[in-house]
Amino acid sequence: NAGVTQTPKFQVLKTGQSMTLQCAQDMNHNSMYWYRQDPGMGLRLIYYSASEGTTDKGEVPNGYNVSRLNKREFSLRLESAAPSQTSVYFCASSELGGRGNTEAFFGQGTRLTVV
Amino acid sequence: GDSVTQMEGPVTLSEEAFLTINCTYTATGYPSLFWYVQYPGEGLQLLLKATKADDKGSNKGFEATYRKETTSFHLEKGSVQVSDSAVYFCALRGSNYKLTFGKGTLLTVNP
Repeated sequence: NAGVTQTPKFQVLKTGQSMTLQCAQDMNHNSMYWYRQDPGMGLRLIYYSASEGTTDKGEVPNGYNVSRLNKREFSLRLESAAPSQTSVYFCASSELGGRGNTEAFFGQGTRLTVV
Repeated sequence: GDSVTQMEGPVTLSEEAFLTINCTYTATGYPSLFWYVQYPGEGLQLLLKATKADDKGSNKGFEATYRKETTSFHLEKGSVQVSDSAVYFCALRGSNYKLTFGKGTLLTVNP
């Protein structure tokens, strides 16, 4: 059982380049999330998708776009990468739950460096 | 909006010492509360959770009690081990299904 799979694991971009981070889950979860993790800042929510067909901005959405391609897949796109987007990116998924009381499962992360 | 405030680290303890990491939250309604752990180079794993007031979550010797009156969910362990060294995150999931995390607390346990 793979859980949440993120690709790639590492990436180096030049300023201004674009790229898409891929995320797929095989647990039939409704909700999916993208976070970035920076030293001293914890995890900050970029975008989330409560269910297939919906996406919402999180705390730090500027410079990013997302696509909920289907129930399994939720991609994150950087249209024009900036050094400030150097970070570790995590995808997560969870079941919707009656009161939102179910845990989130995380991928292993993508370490992105923008030079 | 929802927010989580947890004790700033780093925290350094000797093996077998008592651990407390404080966590307080702000949220509307009745959020679910979680503690996650991140070992070096890995993603986050759920450590324990509580879904309603006065619930106690527990796992691997760690415990936390959902205190609605003080909006707190403090993490405790009676006797830490070197293998507990990691970053610990407090989190809440609110009525809009958004999952909000604290900034994390780095714990180092020395032999």
